[in-house]
Amino acid sequence: DAGVIQSPRHEVTEMGQEVTLRCKPISGHNSLFWYRQTMMRGLELLIYFNNNVPIDDSGMPEDRFSAKMPNASFSTLKIQPSEPRDSAVYFCASSPGQANTEAFFGQGTRLTVV
Amino acid sequence: AQSVTQLDSHVSVSEGTPVLLRCNYSSSYSPSLFWYVQHPNKGLQLLLKYTSAATLVKGINGFEAEFKKSETSFHLTKPSAHMSDAAEYFCVVILFSGGYNKLIFGAGTRLAVHP
Repeated sequence: DAGVIQSPRHEVTEMGQEVTLRCKPISGHNSLFWYRQTMMRGLELLIYFNNNVPIDDSGMPEDRFSAKMPNASFSTLKIQPSEPRDSAVYFCASSPGQANTEAFFGQGTRLTVV
Repeated sequence: AQSVTQLDSHVSVSEGTPVLLRCNYSSSYSPSLFWYVQHPNKGLQLLLKYTSAATLVKGINGFEAEFKKSETSFHLTKPSAHMSDAAEYFCVVILFSGGYNKLIFGAGTRLAVHP
């Protein structure tokens, strides 16, 4: 398996623009997580899905952020409009979903909003 | 509530000397605990995991960790550091509730290895 695949790897955008980050989880995994990593705040869980359904989105910072999982093999995280403080590395991870199993992380998308 | 505390934000060792990265956890029941490693500009990789089997857990790259319930600790060790071990290390506790796993990360420990 190729692992969790995220695209793009790097994104530079201007403030106010819409940004869409994409994730393909490992086939057969039914849990998917979006994390944000910054120097100041470390790793923050933004949202997680189980069987394509959003379970906990309490970590989504504000209404400018939205996430979807239209099917088991694809998820998006959208920021509209983007702001410089959204600059961070965004990770997607997937997990088989059984009790106490680890999550497998993608390589991340480094977002820079200027 | 589940939580983890990594006691050191930075650890610096010389190549060939032992590594100790400390983690304490808080859990209302017997926890599952992981260590992840993140090399610069890379994703997170699982180093090892404890899921209530043997208390001494061996992982990749010569790392191991010991679960000590009496001390609520899960410290990561390696007998001899390599330059390639320089990375950030995260201690993680799992919250399994309602049929879903939620990973709760510590703040991370940055390991520097000097020649």
